[in-house]
Amino acid sequence: AQSVTQLGSHVSVSEGALVLLRCNYSSSVPPYLFWYVQYPNQGLQLLLKYTSAATLVKGINGFEAEFKKSETSFHLTKPSAHMSDAAEYFCAVSLSNTGNQFYFGTGTSLTVIP
Amino acid sequence: DSGVTQTPKHLITATGQRVTLRCSPRSGDLSVYWYQQSLDQGLQFLIQYYNGEERAKGNILERFSAQQFPDLHSELNLSSLELGDSALYFCASSVGGARRSETQYFGPGTRLLVL
Repeated sequence: AQSVTQLGSHVSVSEGALVLLRCNYSSSVPPYLFWYVQYPNQGLQLLLKYTSAATLVKGINGFEAEFKKSETSFHLTKPSAHMSDAAEYFCAVSLSNTGNQFYFGTGTSLTVIP
Repeated sequence: DSGVTQTPKHLITATGQRVTLRCSPRSGDLSVYWYQQSLDQGLQFLIQYYNGEERAKGNILERFSAQQFPDLHSELNLSSLELGDSALYFCASSVGGARRSETQYFGPGTRLLVL
C-alpha cells in the first residue's frame, strides 16, 4: 500500500514564483511527516517535519508546509523560488510502531527557470 | 554536512561479487538505517539497527545483510551481486530509534555499479 504520494514528478517554476510541491499520505495512525531535499550528488537534507505540535511548520531556506488531516496532505510551499532551490524533494512518513523507518514518496524534481 | 559518513563513495564491481558498505553515524546517535535509492524503486528502507540490535526490517533481500558494531558503525554486506543491485545506498542515523518523530540524518551515499 502506498503510504506517501507525491503528485508531479517534475515541477517547473520561474524564479520569484510560488513553489508548491504536493504530498498526500495514507495512515491508520497519527502520521509523522517529513520533507527532505536532495541536491545533485548529495545526501538528503531535512527541510522540515510535522510531529503534531503545530499544523503549519516552518523549515529551512524559507520553506513551510501545512498538515491538513481532512485532506491527508502535507504540501510544501515557498513564496518565492530561488535558483538554488532546484533539487529533488522527497516527502516521507514514519508509520511503524516497532522501528522508525521512513516511507518515502517517489520524489519531485524542481526546476527553477531564470 | 550531516555528520554521517559513508565509505566508499563509489564502488564498481562485477556480477556475482560481494561488497561491503560502511557507515559511521553522527556522534551520539544509536540508530543506523540503510536505504536503497534506484530509478525504478525509488527510496526504499532496507534495515534499522539500534545500539547493535536489529530493530526493523524492510525490503531487504536475503543476499544482503547488515550489522552494527559496538562502536556503533554499521556495515551493509551485499553478496551475489546482480545488475539490478546497482543503486545509491544511503545510511542515516538518529539519536534513538523508536520515536516516530525523530529526524534521520543522511550520509552522502555510496554509489554502487554492478557490471
